[in-house]
Amino acid sequence: EAQVTQNPRYLITVTGKKLTVTCSQNMNHEYMSWYRQDPGLGLRQIYYSMNVEVTDKGDVPEGYKVSRKEKRNFPLILESPSPNQTSLYFCASSSGARPQHFGDGTRLSIL
Amino acid sequence: DAKTTQPPSMDCAEGRAANLPCNHSTISGNEYVYWYRQIHSQGPQYIIHGLKNNETNEMASLIITEDRKSSTLILPHATLRDTAVYYCIVGGSQGNLIFGKGTKLSVKP
Repeated sequence: EAQVTQNPRYLITVTGKKLTVTCSQNMNHEYMSWYRQDPGLGLRQIYYSMNVEVTDKGDVPEGYKVSRKEKRNFPLILESPSPNQTSLYFCASSSGARPQHFGDGTRLSIL
Repeated sequence: DAKTTQPPSMDCAEGRAANLPCNHSTISGNEYVYWYRQIHSQGPQYIIHGLKNNETNEMASLIITEDRKSSTLILPHATLRDTAVYYCIVGGSQGNLIFGKGTKLSVKP
């Protein structure tokens, strides 16, 4: 089954403790991206990747890092999380003009 | 900023057609129109997309005006499970989609 898998689905952690949210897709898609969703602000893109070793900033990249060492994986790294990064995060992948497939989301709470 | 304008909310009676409008007056020639929906806090779900021609699939129909400056998503027989936020997005072939705030569709019995 074609899918985008995010882990963990839920995480409560504390300020400053590094964390990684993993994203994996099994569709051989070139394009992957991360979004965050906050009430009243909709979905905002954090980072995206056009292919392996090619990444670029989206609209709200501050406080986040990504890497794309393999085509299927696109982890989101918060080196020093802060409470304003409490949000619902989505990973997505696509190929060419075909529609994006989204993961089920990761709800992060940073205390 | 999102390149589309949608009404913030709409109501539809169950079993009737839901027609969701979208304005995208600055769309460029190689940009597609995509529609997604999001039910509660689940991941956005792809519905349909098109470039110039009208499109239909098992979920919906997409009507794009001849000048491509607006489009309408049609859910032919809305059910309660179609209650969701619907996003109209324009984007190129590289997948970089900018979501706006969408239209909250409420299907009522």
